[in-house]
Amino acid sequence: GNSVTQMEGPVTLSEEAFLTINCTYTATGYPSLFWYVQYPGEGLQLLLKATKADDKGSNKGFEATYRKETTSFHLEKGSVQVSDSAVYFCALTLNSGYSTLTFGKGTMLLVSP
Amino acid sequence: GAGVSQTPSNKVTEKGKYVELRCDPISGHTALYWYRQSLGQGPEFLIYFQGTGAADDSGLPNDRFFAVRPEGSVSTLKIQRTERGDSAVYLCASSLTATTDTQYFGPGTRLTVL
Repeated sequence: GNSVTQMEGPVTLSEEAFLTINCTYTATGYPSLFWYVQYPGEGLQLLLKATKADDKGSNKGFEATYRKETTSFHLEKGSVQVSDSAVYFCALTLNSGYSTLTFGKGTMLLVSP
Repeated sequence: GAGVSQTPSNKVTEKGKYVELRCDPISGHTALYWYRQSLGQGPEFLIYFQGTGAADDSGLPNDRFFAVRPEGSVSTLKIQRTERGDSAVYLCASSLTATTDTQYFGPGTRLTVL
């Protein structure tokens, strides 16, 4: 089956620190990969995506590279802000006619001033 | 423009009762998805609609759960004889077409079964 594994949180960082949240996947086909973010009290929002190997998705200073050889899609940001505090979900879809998302368990990020 | 909306935002019910949760997708989006998010977990797929028809209901946990989308827009998730284990946040998402991989999520309905 398809699954996504993320590092457990919470990840606690000081402002301006470097962020990495690890994500690996297993899939029966060739997936598209996503990072979604859930800010406190808000709904899930798409942060970035990549649809093929070696693609890099980027948005709001975050980036992730689709690594087929290691089945990974790690999220990185060079300098986090307090406003980045949220829960981050890695997810995949299989390009099989429609796009049901399979999510990881989520990683909470807490950034302190 | 308006995003995906869900009502109610919170629903508290007693074990054994029937509940309906509503989703209003982005106008013009033909694909609609329901997910369930339990505490500390990622969302899990329940059912997918393309237009009016349920194209994939493989994620529905049992026959107490049912969903409709009669006019290809608004969808209702129906849960009969609710159980405490049904307590979760129910999320709805829509996308422009079935093959469009970007889904837009609503804020969710938090269901609590006492």
